[in-house]
This record gives sequence, C-alpha cells and structure tokens, in this order.
Amino acid sequence: NAGVTQTPKFQVLKTGQSMTLQCAQDMNHEYMSWYRQDPGMGLRLIHYSVGAGITDQGEVPNGYNVSRSTTEDFPLRLLSAAPSQTSVYFCASSYAGATLHFGNGTRLTVT
Amino acid sequence: AQSVTQPDIHITVSEGASLELRCNYSYGATPYLFWYVQSPGQGLQLLLKYFSGDTLVQGIKGFEAEFKRSQSSFNLRKPSVHWSDAAEYFCAVGESSGDKLTFGTGTRLAVRP
Repeated sequence: NAGVTQTPKFQVLKTGQSMTLQCAQDMNHEYMSWYRQDPGMGLRLIHYSVGAGITDQGEVPNGYNVSRSTTEDFPLRLLSAAPSQTSVYFCASSYAGATLHFGNGTRLTVT
Repeated sequence: AQSVTQPDIHITVSEGASLELRCNYSYGATPYLFWYVQSPGQGLQLLLKYFSGDTLVQGIKGFEAEFKRSQSSFNLRKPSVHWSDAAEYFCAVGESSGDKLTFGTGTRLAVRP
C-alpha cells in the first residue's frame, strides 16, 4: 500500500516554464488537495477536489491549475512558473470527514 | 474565516523534560482540531485529532492535547520528551468535514541532550 505518491521529489524551473506535479493515491479516497509550505507561513491550501470531475479553489490558487479525471490522480499544473512559486508542495487525500494522508512533498525552485 | 495561531516559533527543551506547545484557533462553530508532526524532508504525520466528546485527546508517540473552548485553545503536551521528538509541529483547524485544513505557522522543537 503506497499511500500518497508525489513525483518528482525535486524540480528546478526557469521563470516562465510550465510543469505538472504529479499526485497519486491508492486508497480510493474521494478527497484530494494540494498545499504549499513556505517558511514561517505553515501550509496553505491551493486547490482541492471532493471527487472525480470536481475541483475548487483554496486559499492561494493563482498561477495553478488542477483537474481530477480519475479518483486516483490529482495533478497540479504550473502554467508559467514564477520565483514566488518556489516552495515545497504537498498533496493529501482522505475519505470525506476523515484524516488527511500526506505525500512526502515536491521541492520546487524557480529561478 | 478560520485561523490558527502558534505563538512559539522555536522551543528548546531538555530530554526527559515535559513539553507544551500552544495553539489558539478562531472558528465560528465547533472546530475539528488536529496536531501534525513533520520531520525534516518528510510529509506530515497526524499525532491526534479532536472532533467531539472528551476534551482530552490521546495521540501517538505519547502525546496528548486538551481542547478548551473557553480559551479557544488546543495545546499539545508530552510528559517526557525524547530526542526523536525533535521536529516541526503544526496545529490545524478544519471545516465540518475535517478537510480543507487551515494550518498554523508551526513550532520547531529542538531537544537538548
């Protein structure tokens, strides 16, 4: 049972480049979400999904795009990377009303 | 809007000493409250959670937390700290479903030998 798997673990981008952070879970969880973690700011919710085909914005959605075509996968797309998006990104999943399970994170640097 | 305050950025305690990490929240209704721990380079692991019922909650690794509605607090405690407890600790509050958590800024714990 792999839980929540994030790829890649590390990524360096140049300003303006696009990329997709992958997140997959094998627990058949309905709810999935993306957070970013920045020093002194804790974790902030970017986007979340309550099921396949349903997504919504969190606290800091600008510059990011998501889709949920399957229960298992919830990719996060950076359309045009900016230095302000340098952060550690965490994907999490859960049954509705239950405990969030976190992946190990993707450390992204935008130069 | 819900919010969480962790007033202590860094705390250092001696191994074997007791620990209390503070957490204050703002939420309109009965909150869902959580404590998570993060070791360097790792994701977050749930220590304990409060949804309802007994206000003293027991968690993993010997941690406990007490929900005090009158003080809007959910402080984390451990009677005797081990060196392996050195990590960053996050308090979080959730909406009624327990999802869409709002996190505090974290408290980094160092343990002195």
